[in-house]
Amino acid sequence: GQNIDQPTEMTATEGAIVQINCTYQTSGFNGLFWYQQHAGEAPTFLSYNVLDGLEEKGRFSSFLSRSKGYSYLLLKELQMKDSASYLCAVRERTGFQKLVFGTGTRLLVSP
Amino acid sequence: DGGITQSPKYLFRKEGQNVTLSCEQNLNHDAMYWYRQDPGQGLRLIYYSQIVNDFQKGDIAEGYSVSREKKESFPLTVTSAQKNPTAFYLCATRWGGVENTEAFFGQGTRLTVV
Repeated sequence: GQNIDQPTEMTATEGAIVQINCTYQTSGFNGLFWYQQHAGEAPTFLSYNVLDGLEEKGRFSSFLSRSKGYSYLLLKELQMKDSASYLCAVRERTGFQKLVFGTGTRLLVSP
Repeated sequence: DGGITQSPKYLFRKEGQNVTLSCEQNLNHDAMYWYRQDPGQGLRLIYYSQIVNDFQKGDIAEGYSVSREKKESFPLTVTSAQKNPTAFYLCATRWGGVENTEAFFGQGTRLTVV
């Protein structure tokens, strides 16, 4: 099975940088995804890591260390619209490629 | 436009009634999924389907049923056997051709039992 841990809530100031951590335990790992979800809306894809290292996409970056079972999502130059929940999801290495989600981190950006 | 359509957006059900949530996609994706989201919990997998006329139970399938008669459609029925059906339900699809493809989500249906 899989166990995924994220902080429940974080706060940050507009223009700042915030790092959201995700740790996981898995019997078979085949990639890690980060999604953004605004309240009452669909999750939208942000990033994907399957190899160790940093993936950068504009203001968002995601890092993975497979040996440590650890990932983080880094958000730079925070904007008010970044206030949302951020979901970490791990894909199992099975024929089905199941995605297992963490509980999500609610980020509140203040002026 | 390509996308995933879930309907209705809000649904109210009386206790003891079955209700069906619709999920339609025109992305030509093979895999479709139903997730349930409750406050303070992550998305939990109810059912999934990798191909037409085939589907499998996820982690919390009890009290739910699905069908996959067409590639585009994967309706979810919440039966009276589901003891706590009030939740936000999300349908997702994925193109199964390459391993690292992400899942795309519909806008969700919020079901409330009254």
